Amino acid sequence: AQSVTQPDIHITVSEGASLELRCNYSYGATPYLFWYVQSPGQGLQLLLKYFSGDTLVQGIKGFEAEFKRSQSSFNLRKPSVHWSDAAEYFCAVGVAGGFKTIFGAGTRLFVKA
Amino acid sequence: SQTIHQWPATLVQPVGSPLSLECTVEGTSNPNLYWYRQAAGRGLQLLFYSVGIGQISSEVPQNLSASRPQDRQFILSSKKLLLSDSGFYLCAWTSGYGNTIYFGEGSWLTVV
Repeated sequence: AQSVTQPDIHITVSEGASLELRCNYSYGATPYLFWYVQSPGQGLQLLLKYFSGDTLVQGIKGFEAEFKRSQSSFNLRKPSVHWSDAAEYFCAVGVAGGFKTIFGAGTRLFVKA
Repeated sequence: SQTIHQWPATLVQPVGSPLSLECTVEGTSNPNLYWYRQAAGRGLQLLFYSVGIGQISSEVPQNLSASRPQDRQFILSSKKLLLSDSGFYLCAWTSGYGNTIYFGEGSWLTVV
């Protein structure tokens, strides 16, 4: 069955430091991959998505993610974290042949001054 | 541009009472519509999805039901709420197969 794993429940980084959030998926075909961000008590906002083509995708707010088929991974990165990036981040996979988007459990990011 | 709205934003209901959460999408036609529930540390659980009027697929057996009376309207209901129904409910839509999913603002339900 399709699944998405975000191995880190929470991560704490210092402001200005680099960030990498991990995501692994299980799916038999080429997936559609997404990263979303959620601030407390709000809906989810799309950061970036991968459908095909260049495996390094750029998103909003200075985020990027790299699709690595051999590792079944789609890790999210940012070179310099800002305090406003503190939120929960969700990796998701769109299942081809269906209409469902499956989400990971999320990684909560804390940013310390 | 497309927008999605859901309401109410916050709801406190007693156990055994009915529930109705409503979601509407504007600026698009024939969207795929979804209801997700979010619990702390468990990510988003897909509850229902609909690919057309009157077409509802249930992902998880539960105390809830969904209906789609109009093309851009999606309703989540319950006849008798349980304490375990408490949570954050998110409505969402996509324009089709494999496309980006967009979320509403969410509804906090507390069953007391």
